[in-house]
Amino acid sequence: TQLLEQSPQFLSIQEGENLTVYCNSSSVFSSLQWYRQEPGEGPVLLVTVVTGGEVKKLKRLTFQFGDARKDSSLHITAAQPGDTGLYLCAGSWNAGKSTFGDGTTLTVKP
Amino acid sequence: DADVTQTPRNRITKTGKRIMLECSQTKGHDRMYWYRQDPGLGLRLIYYSFDVKDINKGEISDGYSVSRQAQAKFSLSLESAIPNQTALYFCATSDPGQGGNQPQHFGDGTRLSIL
Repeated sequence: TQLLEQSPQFLSIQEGENLTVYCNSSSVFSSLQWYRQEPGEGPVLLVTVVTGGEVKKLKRLTFQFGDARKDSSLHITAAQPGDTGLYLCAGSWNAGKSTFGDGTTLTVKP
Repeated sequence: DADVTQTPRNRITKTGKRIMLECSQTKGHDRMYWYRQDPGLGLRLIYYSFDVKDINKGEISDGYSVSRQAQAKFSLSLESAIPNQTALYFCATSDPGQGGNQPQHFGDGTRLSIL
């Protein structure tokens, strides 16, 4: 089993602050996805990163894939209450399966 | 209409009952998955299927079975439900793509409570 560790597990911040969520593994993945999940709904894809060292931006969210393709980070700039939710990373390999981290629950207070 | 539809959305039942959770998709994807989600434990893979004739166990398949009735339908059964199977269950689909890097598309989940 290829494990993904996410940190922190919980994060509570004020609106306007910046934050970073980490996703680490000892395994190499062919790609890594970040999902966001809101209560009562399934996870929704935010981004897929494939190349070691890759950086992708989605408005105020910046995603980075580690050079060795074993870790990733999600940075949110000037967080807003609408960013509140559960953030999940998932590592994929060529067998077509994914391993999910345990998630980071983010609360952004107005 | 949702691309991945799960039924029922909520179910409360008693220990020992047989339960079936259903999933249908309109995305035309070959690959389908069943996960369970428990607080603080992320998503854990129960079973997955890469086409109609293909069924594979995930990391926590004990106590569960599946049926892939068609490309669009993948059902999960609990033959004799027990309380520690109380969880949120998700169905997901994906397209093979290149190198298996395609993301998964999730339904909105079934909240199952076993008393």
